Amino acid sequence: GENVEQHPSTLSVQEGDSAVIKCTYSDSASNYFPWYKQELGKRPQLIIDIRSNVGEKKDQRIAVTLNKTAKHFSLHITETQPEDSAVYFCAASSYNNNDMRFGAGTRLTVKP
Amino acid sequence: EPEVTQTPSHQVTQMGQEVILRCVPISNHLYFYWYRQILGQKVEFLVSFYNNEISEKSEIFDDQFSVERPDGSNFTLKIRSTKLEDSAMYFCASSYTGLAGSSDTQYFGPGTRLTVL
Repeated sequence: GENVEQHPSTLSVQEGDSAVIKCTYSDSASNYFPWYKQELGKRPQLIIDIRSNVGEKKDQRIAVTLNKTAKHFSLHITETQPEDSAVYFCAASSYNNNDMRFGAGTRLTVKP
Repeated sequence: EPEVTQTPSHQVTQMGQEVILRCVPISNHLYFYWYRQILGQKVEFLVSFYNNEISEKSEIFDDQFSVERPDGSNFTLKIRSTKLEDSAMYFCASSYTGLAGSSDTQYFGPGTRLTVL
């Protein structure tokens, strides 16, 4: 089955700096890669996703890049703000199944 | 905006007891999921459900677990003979389509925190 690795486990940045979180996956059939933000005690919320027919997707300060050859994808947050502080999870799955596997999470802290 | 809802928000049970966790998916969604998150750890896939049957299940979803859609709105997870290690947050999610479609975003409920004593 799919195995998703996520790095780093913790990330601390100054407000205004950029943050990058990286994930790798093992199943070459995977073609859907969402990113979820989870605040303490809350549900995971989708912030952006990418499908394998595109290499990059942007939504305001958030972007995701995908390298299918290398089987890795990354989340980029620019101009970070204290409210970006949360745990971010990447995930991967394929059209062939409804089994979405998550990475271990990255705890992002944005210092004012 | 429609949301997935879950009840109860917190369930405390004795080891060996059975629990039923309830979810109401978004009304026009067709695919339903259960995930588990042990405190401080990652979200783990348990099972997906479509057209009144299990679509996929993980290695965690053994005979202790079962799912059901007893009526047109509820989706339940039953855990038989609970163990201490079942203590976790259980999230329900739903999507309009499965991952073969474009509307496959999974929306998560607020979770049920299960504590097994």
